[in-house]
Amino acid sequence: DVVMTQSPLSLPVTLGQPASISCRSSQSLAYSDGNNYLSWFQQRPGQSPRRLIYKVSYRDSGVPDRFSGSGSGTDFTLEISRVEAEDIGVYYCMQGTHWPYSFGQGTKLEIK
Amino acid sequence: EVQLVESGGVLVQPGGSLRLSCAASGFTFSNYWMNWARQVPGKGLEWVANIKYDGSQKYYVDSVKGRFTISRDNAKNSLSLQMSSLRDDDTAIYYCGRSNDHSTTDWGQGTLVTVSS
Repeated sequence: DVVMTQSPLSLPVTLGQPASISCRSSQSLAYSDGNNYLSWFQQRPGQSPRRLIYKVSYRDSGVPDRFSGSGSGTDFTLEISRVEAEDIGVYYCMQGTHWPYSFGQGTKLEIK
Repeated sequence: EVQLVESGGVLVQPGGSLRLSCAASGFTFSNYWMNWARQVPGKGLEWVANIKYDGSQKYYVDSVKGRFTISRDNAKNSLSLQMSSLRDDDTAIYYCGRSNDHSTTDWGQGTLVTVSS
């Protein structure tokens, strides 16, 4: 099975400053159709997960453009250009290329 | 508006069985893969199972293979997860999800399953 490894696991950030989360997969996420099926989810305290990014870099509807995704193969990154208070929560990467799909351990974003 | 409402989570003894349901609305259910994922309270997410839009393909995480069965009723816009031989480590919040682009676009609010004697 594909293991997803996120870093850091805890990310204290000052409001208005950028933040970056890394996600590495144990196998390439390149699918036969040429896509890398890597998604990012945000889970605010007490809420269900919410998808932010799919296919590495496509933002879901309603997601602020301060969120961006990049990467290919086994290395991926979620970047927040300027952290806002509403961004507090846990962020998960997820691969959808290989069965069974799998999530990273989660990165807890907190405000300094 | 897409709505996914899970039900069926309860306290059950180890070795017992349970059936979770998910009522879907706001989209054409029969056009989408659907999935179940779970989360131990305070911990990370784990993918549990997927089912193709017509029910012809199903995939499971190794830890539930042979014990859990995902199914769907497209006429009733309903997704189910039949769980048997339940273990303590199956205790979690179970989420129903709508899949698209090899990912989950929408999640329900979750239903808590507690396995304990």
